[in-house]
Amino acid sequence: EVHLVESGGGLVQPGGSLKLSCAASGFTFSDHYMDWVRQAPGKGLEWVGRIRNKANAYTTQYAASVNGRFTVSRDDSKNLLFLQMNNLKTEDTAVYYCTRVHSSTWAGSYFDSWGQGTLLTVSS
Amino acid sequence: DIQLTQSPSFLSASVGDRVTITCRASQGISSFLAWYQQKPGKAPDLLIYAASTLQYGVPSRFSGSGSGTEFTLTISSLQPEDFATYYCQQFNSYPITFGQGTRLEIK
Repeated sequence: EVHLVESGGGLVQPGGSLKLSCAASGFTFSDHYMDWVRQAPGKGLEWVGRIRNKANAYTTQYAASVNGRFTVSRDDSKNLLFLQMNNLKTEDTAVYYCTRVHSSTWAGSYFDSWGQGTLLTVSS
Repeated sequence: DIQLTQSPSFLSASVGDRVTITCRASQGISSFLAWYQQKPGKAPDLLIYAASTLQYGVPSRFSGSGSGTEFTLTISSLQPEDFATYYCQQFNSYPITFGQGTRLEIK
């Protein structure tokens, strides 16, 4: 069974930094693209970023709202996904979900497994 | 960016009702569309991908259709556990985008 567990959320001041982690199990982590999706309190879902697999050179893609501030990385040896967040803004306050992308093809670029989420609050 | 507009944003219905939610894309996305269900305090769950393919384990009362710019999610006979918020998502191009959600509540 696929299991994704996020950690690292908390309260950060505007301008600060935080790194989220996602521990994956139950599947061959290194084969899959992995994404972060966030949800502000009471709002809808917003895609944050993607990291592809080794076969695709671990390339990344980001939403415009976080590009240049957030970095997605992974450690395939430990089945871990990360989201480094810098220069945080109040509008980054959200639950952050780690998601597994179904496959590396465009037709498979949907999220077939989600973690339970970790809450980031950016406030002074 | 491709905008997805869901309608309605809010829907009140009764157990046993047939309901349809529409998702319109601002430009053609072929069949690169998924539907998710989210219950309060929980992560979303995948219901349908490729516009009309039911995810393994999802009840057959859920169905999806459409291609291009107009898509629908239909629940043939609402069950108590179906009252939730539903989101469409396109994966035709970056950035990946979601609809604003449709909240389905018990009448």
